Amino acid sequence: AQSVTQLDSQVPVFEEAPVELRCNYSSSVSVYLFWYVQYPNQGLQLLLKYLSGSTLVESINGFEAEFNKSQTSFHLRKPSVHISDTAEYFCAVIGSARQLTFGSGTQLTVLP
Amino acid sequence: SAVISQKPSRDICQRGTSLTIQCQVDSQVTMMFWYRQQPGQSLTLIATANQGSEATYESGFVIDKFPISRPNLTFSTLTVSNMSPEDSSIYLCSVAGEGGGEAYEQYFGPGTRLTVT
Repeated sequence: AQSVTQLDSQVPVFEEAPVELRCNYSSSVSVYLFWYVQYPNQGLQLLLKYLSGSTLVESINGFEAEFNKSQTSFHLRKPSVHISDTAEYFCAVIGSARQLTFGSGTQLTVLP
Repeated sequence: SAVISQKPSRDICQRGTSLTIQCQVDSQVTMMFWYRQQPGQSLTLIATANQGSEATYESGFVIDKFPISRPNLTFSTLTVSNMSPEDSSIYLCSVAGEGGGEAYEQYFGPGTRLTVT
């Protein structure tokens, strides 16, 4: 069985400040990890993924996440956020039957 | 990635009735899933839609309440039966394994926002 814990339900941050959204996982199978983003009143978009290889993965809009096996973490970071980054962010882990288990989500609010 | 559409995009239904939600993909995919997102909550997997056979349901979800069909590799339906206000949620389909490839990455449809009165 697998589970995902997102430690912060709400993260307010000022524009151009750095941000880290925390994610810890547990899994009894090979670990494949994902971050999804949900903008207000929209569906889920895949932001980035870790399947294998380099433990640092990046998205096209400046977010990055690092897979840390020893700490069972997959934290999401961005060095400088924009107002448009305001959204709900979900961390997820995949199970043996390819089903996704999601964390409870973190609402990132970027303040002007 | 595959383009996924869902119908209807939203609906308001009376309690005791049923609603069928359609999920259409523009290419063949290995796997299709149905999730529920209750208001202010995360996503919970309802079931995996299996082509040509009965869906695989997660704990807490049953076929009588959420019958699912998947007649081919590009289409699936989810029915929410005998609805109650507690069924008010966003229902999302997702797909993986576009073109028969590895089914690790899932892509989501836009969702169906259901309100039961």
